[in-house]
This record gives sequence, structure tokens and C-alpha cells, in this order.
Amino acid sequence: GAGVSQTPSNKVTEKGKYVELRCDPISGHTALYWYRQSLGQGPEFLIYFQGTGAADDSGLPNDRFFAVRPEGSVSTLKIQRTERGDSAVYLCASSLVPVGGFQNTGELFFGEGSRLTVL
Amino acid sequence: AQKITQTQPGMFVQEKEAVTLDCTYDTSDPSYGLFWYKQPSSGEMIFLIYQGSYDQQNATEGRYSLNFQKARKSANLVISASQLGDSAMYFCAITNNAGNMLTFGGGTRLMVKP
Repeated sequence: GAGVSQTPSNKVTEKGKYVELRCDPISGHTALYWYRQSLGQGPEFLIYFQGTGAADDSGLPNDRFFAVRPEGSVSTLKIQRTERGDSAVYLCASSLVPVGGFQNTGELFFGEGSRLTVL
Repeated sequence: AQKITQTQPGMFVQEKEAVTLDCTYDTSDPSYGLFWYKQPSSGEMIFLIYQGSYDQQNATEGRYSLNFQKARKSANLVISASQLGDSAMYFCAITNNAGNMLTFGGGTRLMVKP
């Protein structure tokens, strides 16, 4: 498809389990972002990739969270030893160029999210 | 650090009327961008409008306009001629100078009454 694709759309898991969430960005988009959105709140930044490298991972809450983008396209967000507080919608977004404050209408294109429920 | 504040958790508007959604921001970056996104119940984030901090004119996109008051650090969204399909969550967001992330506000839920 032409948009950002995220799988699975829904994931229910038990506390302590390992989870992987996948994001397939728009073809050619070099910038990729992961956000987490809890119920009734705005999206919270997790990590930003420029190409294959994590340019900014300052939003990852702890070392149970990790993300990769080995070939500069598809990205996987990995959560180890899941906790009930990890339950949220995980949003992926991509952009042709990094979103910026200069003469740049670098729009972010979001996927529909992966809803994670940890029981 | 950057911060977005949306003080209206919920708003009602009559169909066909205009509505203003408030957004104030805090940043130490000399250059930044401001965005508004719409999130309907389906969950998808839909880009509405963008304003660069050095833009001299307020941004407009169809029925959406951004009332940018730099000195007051506000970037309110104005929706004219509201439609039932405008009912959704609306998020204001700001980029940092490096352009490597968007910081979102807590959102405003807009409900359009027929």
C-alpha cells in the first residue's frame, strides 16, 4: 500500500512476555518515528531513525524497549518482559525528510497503530 | 525542552459554525514548526496544517487556519463551517530545532452537534 503499515493491529499478551511490533514506512522515507499513545493522551515520542541509525532514542522509557531498522526501511519495536503499564497504542510515522522548523513542511505520515494490551 | 499545552479537554460546536481550538507552546529553540493533527475514532493521525516560526503569514488549508501569535506563544486552530465529520481529537504539536521529533499536547476532543 501507499501508506505506513503497522502489524499487528492488535496484540494481547501476558505480563512478562516478549513482544515485537513492526512498521513498514512509506517507500523512500528516510525518517522513521515511534510514538506511544496511552488512552486519552497525546502521542509520546519514543525513538527516531534517520536511515538505519537511531538518531534519537531519548524517549525510550527503559532498557526493556529497543528498536531496530537494519536496512533503513522496515523497523521493529521490541519490548521485553512486558508490564501492564506498557499497554498503549504504538504509533509509527515516517517522513521524507526530518520534520523541521525551517522552510520545511515535513509532514509526518502516521500508521494506524498497534494496540498492545498486557494482561 | 519543549512543551505544548491544550487547555480545552472537550469542545462542542454547532454544525456550520466556526470553532477555535487553543494551543500554547514553550520552547527555547529559535526556529521551530507547529502542527495540528486530527485523530478520529479510527485512531489514524491526520495532518491538517503547518506553521513555521519564521512564516510571516498565518497558515491556511481549506477550512483550517492557524492563528499564530508568536509573542504570546500561541498557535490556535480555527475550523470554519464545522461539519459532523470534524468530530475527533485534535492535537497540537511542535518540532525542535534539529527537526528530529514532534512533541504533542494532550489534545482537545471536538464534538460537532447537528
